[in-house]
Amino acid sequence: DSGVTQTPKHLITATGQRVTLRCSPRSGDLSVYWYQQSLDQGLQFLIQYYNGEERAKGNILERFSAQQFPDLHSELNLSSLELGDSALYFCASSLSGGATDTQYFGPGTRLTVL
Amino acid sequence: GQQLNQSPQSMFIQEGEDVSMNCTSSSIFNTWLWYKQDPGEGPVLLIALYKAGELTSNGRLTAQFGITRKDSFLNISASIPSDVGIYFCAGQRYNQGGKLIFGQGTELSVKP
Repeated sequence: DSGVTQTPKHLITATGQRVTLRCSPRSGDLSVYWYQQSLDQGLQFLIQYYNGEERAKGNILERFSAQQFPDLHSELNLSSLELGDSALYFCASSLSGGATDTQYFGPGTRLTVL
Repeated sequence: GQQLNQSPQSMFIQEGEDVSMNCTSSSIFNTWLWYKQDPGEGPVLLIALYKAGELTSNGRLTAQFGITRKDSFLNISASIPSDVGIYFCAGQRYNQGGKLIFGQGTELSVKP
C-alpha cells in the first residue's frame, strides 16, 4: 500500500459525459501528479500540482482539467468523453515535487467509455 | 508521445535465470528510474539513479545510469516467480518539475 488513495476504482460511462476522479496523497506529501495509461500510448504524464499550484503540464487534452485543493487532495475532471479516453488513470504523490523526489503511485481508476 | 525506447518488450524465462532490460533515449535525462507494475496496481519504484555512471543495487536488482545520460539498464539476478510483472524505465529532467517520461515497459514471465 503506497498510501495514495484513488476513488472510484472503476468507472463506466458513456461518450459525451463528464467524470471526476479523486486522489488523496500520502500524508505529508505536497505534490500530486496525474498519469494516463492506455494500451496504445503507454504511461503518459498529464499534469502536476504542488501545494495547490500547477507546476508542470504534459499532453493533457483541453477537455481534461485538474486542481489541487487546500487539503491537498486532487481531482481530475474529464469532459466530453470519447471512446479513446478509456484508460487507467493514476495519481501519484511526492514530498516536494522536485525532480529527485520519489513518486508513490495510487492503485488507479479504470475508466471505460462506452 | 514516448521518448524512451525500452527493450525487450517481453521476456519468458526459467526460474533462476538472470534478466537484463534496457532503455535508451535520444536526449539527456538527469534522473533514471525503474518501476515495476503488478496487475491491477500502480507502478512501484525499484531503483532511482541520479548520477551518470552510477551503479545501484536493491537486493537481486542492479541498475546503471549510462555515462552519456541517454540510457539505463536493469538486471535481475536469479529470477523467482514473484518477479513476474511489467518493468518500466522512466526519466526525469530538472527543468520539468517532477514529470516522469516512461518507456513502453518490459513484460516479464517466469516459469517455475
